[in-house]
Amino acid sequence: DTGVSQDPRHKITKRGQNVTFRCDPISEHNRLYWYRQTLGQGPEFLTYFQNEAQLEKSRLLSDRFSAERPKGSFSTLEIQRTEQGDSAMYLCASSLLWRGQVYGYTFGSGTRLTV
Amino acid sequence: QKEVEQDPGPLSVPEGAIVSLNCTYSNSAFQYFMWYRQYSRKGPELLMYTYSSGNKEDGRFTAQVDKSSKYISLFIRDSQPSDSATYLCAITTSYGKLTFGQGTILTVHP
Repeated sequence: DTGVSQDPRHKITKRGQNVTFRCDPISEHNRLYWYRQTLGQGPEFLTYFQNEAQLEKSRLLSDRFSAERPKGSFSTLEIQRTEQGDSAMYLCASSLLWRGQVYGYTFGSGTRLTV
Repeated sequence: QKEVEQDPGPLSVPEGAIVSLNCTYSNSAFQYFMWYRQYSRKGPELLMYTYSSGNKEDGRFTAQVDKSSKYISLFIRDSQPSDSATYLCAITTSYGKLTFGQGTILTVHP
């Protein structure tokens, strides 16, 4: 399977605990994005990377959230001191930026977080 | 006012009907327009994308963009029960960060 892979699929945690999610993008893609989706809403942008550089962060990404993409391949999203309001589906997507155009914007199946 | 507005529905139609889904947006800088389909507890799946005003057709799906009215539509012809899902419009300025509508829940009943 060459799609975007996210792990775990579902995470249940207690308030105050730290959690970490992993995303493996499509191997040829150099851009990686994180979104959050709550019930009945469309996904909301959190942050994105081009290779290993984090280029933009949303105001939704409080200081309890941190994302990394250490070698320009997989990425992790960590939430510290989780709160009930963090319960949501966390979606990862990847795309290829080539000659100024972006191709193949593909989402993973998401990690559902329950706090 | 949200940057992208989408009627959440729900929309229920009989099999074989033509479905029309719509979004409006406020930022004239938006250049790229996409429609995603999302089944329950799955990630969004890209159906259509376009970057210019006019129509784009792919099988039973037609995407329509009217930049002057800031209005985009997705038409589904000969709808099938397997089309039952949430449909999301997504718009971007530079094809990086996507701004999504709320999603429209569609049910196609046999």
